[in-house]
Amino acid sequence: SQQGEEDPQALSIQEGENATMNCSYKTSINNLQWYRQNSGRGLVHLILIRSNEREKHSGRLRVTLDTSKKSSSLLITASRAADTASYFCAVQGGSEKLVFGKGTKLTVNP
Amino acid sequence: DTGVSQNPRHKITKRGQNVTFRCDPISEHNRLYWYRQTLGQGPEFLTYFQNEAQLEKSRLLSDRFSAERPKGSFSTLEIQRTEQGDSAMYLCASSLDGVPPLHFGNGTRLTVT
Repeated sequence: SQQGEEDPQALSIQEGENATMNCSYKTSINNLQWYRQNSGRGLVHLILIRSNEREKHSGRLRVTLDTSKKSSSLLITASRAADTASYFCAVQGGSEKLVFGKGTKLTVNP
Repeated sequence: DTGVSQNPRHKITKRGQNVTFRCDPISEHNRLYWYRQTLGQGPEFLTYFQNEAQLEKSRLLSDRFSAERPKGSFSTLEIQRTEQGDSAMYLCASSLDGVPPLHFGNGTRLTVT
């Protein structure tokens, strides 16, 4: 069963706006990762945040993690049409397997 | 680094037939993972290898599924007696020593008619 739950399931914004996606999970984790998937393609890793970190930045991406609430958010600033994709959070606990959420489908309109 | 390669990209088969998919990981990666993704869902873990040893298997991997990595390089995933519920994207990923991130291939899309 999938542990992560992304919110919203779908998000449509205009180019230049910011996009925020949320992820909740159920058990304790070592790290939480965000991946992006273009339609019909594999997943591409975006950013990893460890359980002892609260915020991380990479380019136009900002990730926060609140382990007390078992939640994370991904912010994409100044979105571009090329950011259109599905975004998945994945949690890693005591084993090597990743447990993915159902994803947020982001559409950035030019 | 040529990335993770999966073949075929698409496979259409009739119910009851056997199918086999191949994954070639990034050459120096000793870990290889198989995931399954159905429409509108995130990937679900199936199994993973450290070199040729299969270290963990999900309950999703029924006895009709078998995965091998005989020489610790490429891997195959075989599904016997396919069912319509097996229709999905089968994703392969690799990593070095289990250190994130996973590097995914573009998947094999299986359609069982």
